[in-house]
Amino acid sequence: EVQLVESGGGLVQPGGSLRLSCAASGFTFSAYWMSWVRQAPGKGLEWVANMNLDGNEKYYVDSVKGRFTISRDNAKNSLYLQMNSLRVEDTAVYYCSRRRGDIWGQGTVVTVSS
Amino acid sequence: DVVMTQSPLSLPVTLGQPASISCRSSQSLVSGDGSTYLNWFQQRPGQSPRRLIYQVSNRESGVPDRFSGSGSGTDFTLKISRVEAEDVGVYHCMQGSHWPWTFGQGTKVEIK
Repeated sequence: EVQLVESGGGLVQPGGSLRLSCAASGFTFSAYWMSWVRQAPGKGLEWVANMNLDGNEKYYVDSVKGRFTISRDNAKNSLYLQMNSLRVEDTAVYYCSRRRGDIWGQGTVVTVSS
Repeated sequence: DVVMTQSPLSLPVTLGQPASISCRSSQSLVSGDGSTYLNWFQQRPGQSPRRLIYQVSNRESGVPDRFSGSGSGTDFTLKISRVEAEDVGVYHCMQGSHWPWTFGQGTKVEIK
């Protein structure tokens, strides 16, 4: 079964850091672009970052540039999102997604609050 | 950034009746490779998004044929031929032709 499972969310104070992980299974992870997408409470979807097969192309939405870093480990079939200098407005469910959204994980909740 | 505008934002429908959602983009979604990366997603309450339609009109495997997508350039439509109870949720259009990929505001479909 093709599956993405996110982990690493939680409650963090403004200015803090979190590292999200996404474990992939059921497909050849190294053959696909991968992305992070978020959804703030009661809001729409926002594509946060994506990266190519070997990690040498990365794209970020302007609101997270310089604060978030997307990475992958193809040997471990895993995608990561390092989030630094977190802000209240980063509070959201963070989803891992394959390509242009053909597969999604169940999401992990990130809450930034003092 | 490409702005995606959906209408209506709320769509009450009667079971068995058709429904239609419009999605307009602020610029053409024809990408450099000639493809138009316009997708439609369904998000049922409490669930992750699920892709229904990719590249304007291609239905994902397992998606009922009552869902169809059409359009070109900057103007796109998702149609449900006969709404069923399981279709309740929020529908999002999304463009993947120009980075950053962007979504519409979402259209909430509910049963009258």
